[in-house]
Amino acid sequence: DSGVTQTPKHLITATGQRVTLRCSPRSGDLSVYWYQQSLDQGLQFLIQYYNGEERAKGNILERFSAQQFPDLHSELNLSSLELGDSALYFCASSPGPLWNEQFFGPGTRLTVL
Amino acid sequence: AQKITQTQPGMFVQEKEAVTLDCTYDTSDPSYGLFWYKQPSSGEMIFLIYQGSYDQQNATEGRYSLNFQKARKSANLVISASQLGDSAMYFCAMTLKNTGFQKLVFGTGTRLLVSP
Repeated sequence: DSGVTQTPKHLITATGQRVTLRCSPRSGDLSVYWYQQSLDQGLQFLIQYYNGEERAKGNILERFSAQQFPDLHSELNLSSLELGDSALYFCASSPGPLWNEQFFGPGTRLTVL
Repeated sequence: AQKITQTQPGMFVQEKEAVTLDCTYDTSDPSYGLFWYKQPSSGEMIFLIYQGSYDQQNATEGRYSLNFQKARKSANLVISASQLGDSAMYFCAMTLKNTGFQKLVFGTGTRLLVSP
């Protein structure tokens, strides 16, 4: 158990809908990362937050957005969902923005029908 | 730009034998970190081992060791005395330290199957 929690574990929704994925980092970790793992794209970095502020952006679609709240939990919002958004979404955390190890949560499996 | 290449889609090994999973990387940045993660069928990503580009010695963590050959830009994972529980996907990943953030760039992974 990495100490990173993600909810929900599974999510099934329809095209065009909007969902919110939630992540609670390990106690004391200030940095949160979101990754998407899909069959065709592999594991891709989406976005990083550090202490409430966006730190880095990767291949994140405009339909997707994220934020980190004062209590350091983070949410990833996915809107206008398409079939291709079906994937495993991971949250990871680390103590700081340049920490070596990132601790991954169990992931949220999103299925878009 | 940074790139990780894992050329072995699948590997088979017998229990108690050693296995090497290949990873090559490409970056022009002199300061970087290399990682290996394990992903069992349950889906979680488990950190195994880390090697910094300036580390003089190869990293080791229990049965895992990282064979770091900087000139060849390779960072192979060696698992000694394989166990059935080692059957999983293994991902090599990289970060660049000078960019001010630590996004992980992953390879495509190698599926390891350990047989009795």
